[in-house]
Amino acid sequence: DIVMTQSPESLAVSLGERAAITCKSSQTVLDISNNRNYLAWYQQKPGQPPKVLIYWASTRESGVPDRFSGSGSRTDFSLTINSLQAEDVAVYYCQQYYRLPITFGQGTRLEIK
Amino acid sequence: VQLVQSGAEVRAPGASVKVSCKAIGYTFNIYTMHWVRQAPGQSLEWMGYINPANGITKFSEKFQDRVIITSDSSANIGYMEVYSLRSEDTAMYYCARPSCIDGTCNFYFDNWGQGTLITVSS
Repeated sequence: DIVMTQSPESLAVSLGERAAITCKSSQTVLDISNNRNYLAWYQQKPGQPPKVLIYWASTRESGVPDRFSGSGSRTDFSLTINSLQAEDVAVYYCQQYYRLPITFGQGTRLEIK
Repeated sequence: VQLVQSGAEVRAPGASVKVSCKAIGYTFNIYTMHWVRQAPGQSLEWMGYINPANGITKFSEKFQDRVIITSDSSANIGYMEVYSLRSEDTAMYYCARPSCIDGTCNFYFDNWGQGTLITVSS
């Protein structure tokens, strides 16, 4: 199984500042035949199911504010939230969909400082 | 698009539970239906999926002996049943639909059910 490891486990950032979360996979999730990284990011707020923010490591889902961005390739990825808003308080997960079983990171809890 | 799940359940250890997920607003047979669970305060755990078009299922090795996933295409409903429940199966169970663009589907999930809380307790 591909193991996804996120850091940090929790993060406190001031409103208007930038938050950065990293995700490492135990194997590459890059398909060299199409040059796509099979990596998604989700946001989960209390009492709600996850919501996809980013897929293909850097493609923003429709309707997601452009302060959310994803980057990285192969085994190292990051999610950046610029100009943090109060509504961004949530737990964030990375997920690989390169190989079954699909696996998720352990989550990063983002709070306001 | 909506995925509407059945309500919360409480079961004793050793019992079984069946969760339903009704698909609304899209062609049911075009998309696989996945199941993901989340224990209290924990991360997300993919369990498996079914292709409603042909009934083929795939599972995480962890669940393949205790979980059955089925679907009813006439009613646009997917089902996930867990047998021999234990306390560590206490979790929120979600159905989820993968993203499909131009006939190609990739297993990141752009639609989720609201979740069904299963509590295993004597």
